[in-house]
Amino acid sequence: AQSVAQPEDQVNVAEGNPLTVKCTYSVSGNPYLFWYVQYPNRGLQFLLKYITGDNLVKGSYGFEAEFNKSQTSFHLKKPSALVSDSALYFCAVRDMENFNKFYFGSGTKLNVKP
Amino acid sequence: KAGVTQTPRYLIKTRGQQVTLSCSPISGHRSVSWYQQTPGQGLQFLFEYFSETQRNKGNFPGRFSGRQFSNSRSEMNVSTLELGDSALYLCASSLALEPSYEQYFGPGTRLTVT
Repeated sequence: AQSVAQPEDQVNVAEGNPLTVKCTYSVSGNPYLFWYVQYPNRGLQFLLKYITGDNLVKGSYGFEAEFNKSQTSFHLKKPSALVSDSALYFCAVRDMENFNKFYFGSGTKLNVKP
Repeated sequence: KAGVTQTPRYLIKTRGQQVTLSCSPISGHRSVSWYQQTPGQGLQFLFEYFSETQRNKGNFPGRFSGRQFSNSRSEMNVSTLELGDSALYLCASSLALEPSYEQYFGPGTRLTVT
């Protein structure tokens, strides 16, 4: 079965510093990986995805993610954090062995302090 | 293009009652999925519909049901409500069932069971 893990419940970073939100996955076959962000009392917003090709994927709001097959990781990154980036971030993987069902990680709360 | 809409946004029900939630996907999207989000369990997949057929189902009791109409709009029903059903219910739409397609989420319906 496919799964995705976000090892950190919370990440704290100062505004202007680089940020990383970690995600590791377990799949059989090629992984289809996604990052979403959720602001308070809102639904999830799509940030970016990895399907194939370049290991560095660029997405919305200046975010990017690095796919690392050997480490089975798909970490979300941003060179310079903004206070407005503070939100809940979810990593997700498609389960191609189970009708393409989405599995979401437990979420990581990002706090960016001024 | 309008996003995914969900109605109502907030609901308060008492134990034993039933509730119906509605979701209108992005125009042209044919796949609709439902998720339950709670602080303790995170995002849990309920079911997915495509072309009016349930394609996938999560591990929820039969009290949770859904359907999709010919215009791709979807409804979710929960019968005999329990306190533990209090959650944010999220609907997401996707262009098709292919795994490379991301899902787009609505703002959710906040259900409180008293």
